[in-house]
Amino acid sequence: DIQMTQSPSSLSASVGDRVIITCRASQGINNYLAWFQQKPGKAPKSLIYAASSLESGVPSRFSGSGSGTEFTLTISSLESEDFATYYCQQSYTYPWTFGQGTKVEIK
Amino acid sequence: QVQLMQSGAEVKKPGSSVQVSCKASGGTFSGFPINWVRQAPGQGLEWMGGIIPRFGTTNYAQKFQGRLAITADESTSTSYMDLRSLRSDDTAVYYCARERGYSGYDSPLGYWGQGSLVTVSS
Repeated sequence: DIQMTQSPSSLSASVGDRVIITCRASQGINNYLAWFQQKPGKAPKSLIYAASSLESGVPSRFSGSGSGTEFTLTISSLESEDFATYYCQQSYTYPWTFGQGTKVEIK
Repeated sequence: QVQLMQSGAEVKKPGSSVQVSCKASGGTFSGFPINWVRQAPGQGLEWMGGIIPRFGTTNYAQKFQGRLAITADESTSTSYMDLRSLRSDDTAVYYCARERGYSGYDSPLGYWGQGSLVTVSS
């Protein structure tokens, strides 16, 4: 199985900060990488697919980059509604696998 | 707008089975894969398996082989997740998620249901 490793596992940030979350795959996955946001008690929400494509309706402060084994999710200017847990996920091969999550908390 | 509506919470005994349904509305059902993902309390997301309704083809995570069955009924635009021989560590919120089509690449888990809590307890 492909292992997805996110870093950091958690971070504290302030409104207006630039936030970068990294996801590393244990083997190459081309660009078959998605990012999800999850708030407590809610279903995950897809933010980015195909490594860098923004889901319709998602604010442009979210962006994704990378290919192969290294990927990043960037929030250019953190807003209050962005405090949540973020997951990366590969769909390059079965079984699909998720990273362990990165919790973004208020500083 | 595509919506996925899941069945309600369930409480099950160890060794029993559970079925969770996921009804799609607002879009084409048959051509888009539906996947099931679960989340144990306080834990991360775990992909369980998926189905392409038009063909009935399925893929399952190895750890669920023999216990999991995912089906789809095109006539009602509903997917079902059946998990057998339930254990306490199957206690989780179960989500269905459907592919979202775009020109070019598609988003594999673009639409999500609201989740269904399954509690396994004696």
